Amino acid sequence: GENVEQHPSTLSVQEGDSAVIKCTYSDSASNYFPWYKQELGKGPQLIIDIRSNVGEKKDQRIAVTLNKTAKHFSLHITETQPEDSAVYFCAASKASGGSNYKLTFGKGTLLTVNP
Amino acid sequence: DAGVIQSPRHEVTEMGQEVTLRCKPISGHNSLFWYRQTMMRGLELLIYFNNNVPIDDSGMPEDRFSAKMPNASFSTLKIQPSEPRDSAVYFCASRLRGQSNEQFFGPGTRLTVL
Repeated sequence: GENVEQHPSTLSVQEGDSAVIKCTYSDSASNYFPWYKQELGKGPQLIIDIRSNVGEKKDQRIAVTLNKTAKHFSLHITETQPEDSAVYFCAASKASGGSNYKLTFGKGTLLTVNP
Repeated sequence: DAGVIQSPRHEVTEMGQEVTLRCKPISGHNSLFWYRQTMMRGLELLIYFNNNVPIDDSGMPEDRFSAKMPNASFSTLKIQPSEPRDSAVYFCASRLRGQSNEQFFGPGTRLTVL
């Protein structure tokens, strides 16, 4: 089955700096890669996703890049703010849209943004 | 919209007892997922349903775990008998198949088995 590796497990940055979290996946058939943010005491929440037909996607301060050849994808957060502090999870799945699919998650990255 | 609703939010029980976790998905969603989250294993998919039918239960750890979805607005995850190693946060998530890939997670149930 699919295996998703995520690094680093913890990341501490100063407010205003950028943060980068990297993930690799094993199944070349995977074609959908979401990123979820989990705040303390809450469930994960989707913040951005990317499909395998594009190499990059951006939404304000958040961007995701995908390298299908190398089977890795990354989350980039620019101008970090204290409210960005949370656990971030990457995930991968084989199918998207209406067909059956399931997500395989990475182990998560605890991001701390210091004021 | 109230979002995905889970109950109870916290459950403390003794080894050997039966535990039932409950989930109400977002109205209109037709896929429902049960996950378990631990420090060691991260976020693991246990089982998921499409239109109330179980599609993949390969993540269910053993026969002590069972899940049902009697209708589109309710699902349960039961552990019988419970063991200390079942202690974890259990999340329910729902999705509208055919419209979006986004899974909407509930707040979770923190289970502690003594």
